[in-house]
Amino acid sequence: KQEVTQIPAALSVPEGENLVLNCSFTDSAIYNLQWFRQDPGKGLTSLLLIQSSQREQTSGRLNASLDKSSGRSTLYIAASQPGDSATYLCAVRTGANSKLTFGKGITLSVRP
Amino acid sequence: GAGVSQSPSNKVTEKGKDVELRCDPISGHTALYWYRQSLGQGLEFLIYFQGNSAPDKSGLPSDRFSAERTGGSVSTLTIQRTQQEDSAVYLCASSLGGRFDTQYFGPGTRLTVL
Repeated sequence: KQEVTQIPAALSVPEGENLVLNCSFTDSAIYNLQWFRQDPGKGLTSLLLIQSSQREQTSGRLNASLDKSSGRSTLYIAASQPGDSATYLCAVRTGANSKLTFGKGITLSVRP
Repeated sequence: GAGVSQSPSNKVTEKGKDVELRCDPISGHTALYWYRQSLGQGLEFLIYFQGNSAPDKSGLPSDRFSAERTGGSVSTLTIQRTQQEDSAVYLCASSLGGRFDTQYFGPGTRLTVL
């Protein structure tokens, strides 16, 4: 059974800091990995999707990497801003049934 | 274009009542998913539709939960005889289908069972 872990559960940083959010998964046989952002009381917004054959994806100040063999992904946020404060969820897709298995998320607070 | 929409946004019901939650996926998306987000539990998969068929219902927690999809579009999640532990945010997502595509999520329905 696939399990996704995100540690720590919460993180507080000062504005402007570069930061890395970690995600680990137990079954390396994944099709893809997706990072989402969730604002309080809102749904999920997809940030980046990395195919199993890819090593990284970039969008603006965000860079996500994938190391399938070690079961790890990182989301790098450059020059963090207060508007980046949200919960960041990592999810992997394994098997033909196409469901996503989620971590519990990391709640990020960027202090002005 | 329009994203995934869900209704109602909030639902408060009494224990033992039945509820229906609706999801309107993005037009043209053949795959539709229901997830549940509970405090402390994270996001849990409930059911997956490809077209009108549900090849994976493995996440439905009990036989009180059912879902259907009609016309390859709208889906309804029904919870019968609701219990307090059913209180959660129910999220719907849709995608174009296939293994590698992105799932787009709706805003969710917050269900409170008193």
